[in-house]
Amino acid sequence: GEDVEQSLFLSVREGDSSVINCTYTDSSSTYLYWYKQEPGAGLQLLTYIFSNMDMKQDQRLTVLLNKKDKHLSLRIADTQTGDSAIYFCAGGRSNDYKLSFGAGTTVTVRA
Amino acid sequence: KAGVTQTPRYLIKTRGQQVTLSCSPISGHRSVSWYQQTPGQGLQFLFEYFSETQRNKGNFPGRFSGRQFSNSRSEMNVSTLELGDSALYLCASSLTSGGLNTEAFFGQGTRLTVV
Repeated sequence: GEDVEQSLFLSVREGDSSVINCTYTDSSSTYLYWYKQEPGAGLQLLTYIFSNMDMKQDQRLTVLLNKKDKHLSLRIADTQTGDSAIYFCAGGRSNDYKLSFGAGTTVTVRA
Repeated sequence: KAGVTQTPRYLIKTRGQQVTLSCSPISGHRSVSWYQQTPGQGLQFLFEYFSETQRNKGNFPGRFSGRQFSNSRSEMNVSTLELGDSALYLCASSLTSGGLNTEAFFGQGTRLTVV
């Protein structure tokens, strides 16, 4: 199965950009996802990227995929206090019917 | 369009009891997956159902079971509850194209506490 690793903590100043990194082991992953979890809540799908793409941009979010290094990153532009949360990257093969999650990166936005 | 609905939101059970959790997927989604989230183990895959058939199962004991109904709603059951079963149980529904899952949307979860 997939092993997914993330750094555990990130502190960023309000208005700066945040970059959350993730590495994965399974090169046959079809989809790679970023989810956001706020305290006491479920997982909110932020964005996803197909494994045949290098980059995807969606408003303040930019996902970069380096297939050679099996590295995925999420950049949040103009980080706001409402962006404070735990961010999970996840990978899966579409015919495997399951996602493998990283441990989550806790992002703290300071004024 | 309504999201993924999980009921109940919170549950307290005693060791040895059994519990049933429910998940209603997004309308039109036929795939439902279940995950367990704990501080120690993170998010772990339990099982996935599509058209009432279990297509994949995670590494959990047989006390954990599930099923899916013809309207795509799913239930999971945990029998003989243990303290270690205390967790947030998350359900996800997915679009399916050609039998393959794409985006997975999660519900708010059911917080199960075993005392």
